Amino acid sequence: QKEVEQNSGPLSVPEGAIASLNCTYSDRGSQSFFWYRQYSGKSPELIMSIYSNGDKEDGRFTAQLNKASQYVSLLIRDSQPSDSATYLCAVNMGAGRRALTFGSGTRLQVQP
Amino acid sequence: GAVVSQHPSWVICKSGTSVKIECRSLDFQATTMFWYRQFPKQSLMLMATSNEGSKATYEQGVEKDKFLINHASLTLSTLTVTSAHPEDSSFYICSASYDNYGYTFGSGTRLTVV
Repeated sequence: QKEVEQNSGPLSVPEGAIASLNCTYSDRGSQSFFWYRQYSGKSPELIMSIYSNGDKEDGRFTAQLNKASQYVSLLIRDSQPSDSATYLCAVNMGAGRRALTFGSGTRLQVQP
Repeated sequence: GAVVSQHPSWVICKSGTSVKIECRSLDFQATTMFWYRQFPKQSLMLMATSNEGSKATYEQGVEKDKFLINHASLTLSTLTVTSAHPEDSSFYICSASYDNYGYTFGSGTRLTVV
């Protein structure tokens, strides 16, 4: 069964620290990878997408992809209390416009 | 760009009645729409994939006769929950792919069946 796995947390970090979120996926043929942030009762909002091995940076966020290890991570630098949310890892397991498979999410708590 | 408008944002209905949820792509043509369901403290679970002009493809365990999906145009897909029961209470979210890599999500519909 094709799966995306995340640690459910909660992951608690102090304000200003680096938060590290991890995700593994089962399908080696997966092509594209996404990190979404979801606040309670709201729809997911895209933070980062990554398609190639290596790092991709956007402001305080860095996504890292290692296809050989089937691993994708998200680093949040200078964490803010407003970053407190559930972070969902999503994978397109195949080519083309397929539905995303979501992990169960990691709840991040940034302590002021 | 690539906005999907979802309505209603919340609905309360009586057990046994039907509820329709609409998702409209506002600035692009959504040939494929994905419907997800999310129970409290759980992740998004794919219910079905709808393609414009053809029958939807349902995931295993999702009752096609209970969750009716219509994708009659390139800008509108609807999900109708028929004969709703309290266990259908959930957060329903639609999503569309607007290119080979990008996905956009509706704002979600909170359904409560009483």
